[in-house]
Amino acid sequence: GNSVTQMEGPVTLSEEAFLTINCTYTATGYPSLFWYVQYPGEGLQLLLKATKADDKGSNKGFEATYRKETTSFHLEKGSVQVSDSAVYFCALRPLGTASKLTFGTGTRLQVTL
Amino acid sequence: DVKVTQSSRYLVKRTGEKVFLECVQDMDHENMFWYRQDPGLGLRLIYFSYDVKMKEKGDIPEGYSVSREKKERFSLILESASTNQTSMYLCASSPLRARGHNYGYTFGSGTRLTVV
Repeated sequence: GNSVTQMEGPVTLSEEAFLTINCTYTATGYPSLFWYVQYPGEGLQLLLKATKADDKGSNKGFEATYRKETTSFHLEKGSVQVSDSAVYFCALRPLGTASKLTFGTGTRLQVTL
Repeated sequence: DVKVTQSSRYLVKRTGEKVFLECVQDMDHENMFWYRQDPGLGLRLIYFSYDVKMKEKGDIPEGYSVSREKKERFSLILESASTNQTSMYLCASSPLRARGHNYGYTFGSGTRLTVV
């Protein structure tokens, strides 16, 4: 079946540090890949996506590249801010099937001054 | 601004009560979903619906049912609430895959349900 594995958190960084949150997946074919962010007390928001191999999704300074050879979609940001503190979810949506997303368990990021 | 609205942010119910969680979207999306979110377990799909009066079980449907009488509304029903159903419940919607430019979901803000 399909699955998404994320690094366990929490990840604690100082402001302006470099962020990497690892995400690997298992799926047949070429799924679409997503990162969602959940700020405290809120629902999930789509952060970025990539729909085919070597695509790079980007938004708000965050980037992730769809790597078919390593089945990965790691989230990166060059300089984090306190306002980036949130839970980040990696997800996949299989090709040619019903519209269901499969989520990872989430990684909590805490950014301190 | 497009929206998925969940009727309550916080609910406290007693064991054995019948509980209704309501979700409304204004984007004319065909697909709607109910998830529960628990620490360490991430999001788990309870039920989803492709269309009015259509529903399919997700990964953890036991103890839940759903209703979709209108396209914009998707209700989650706990027939007899139990303490192990204390959780955050998230509703989401998406267009049909063929129609949507963005194949992701739009989520509501969530309902935190406590069953005592």
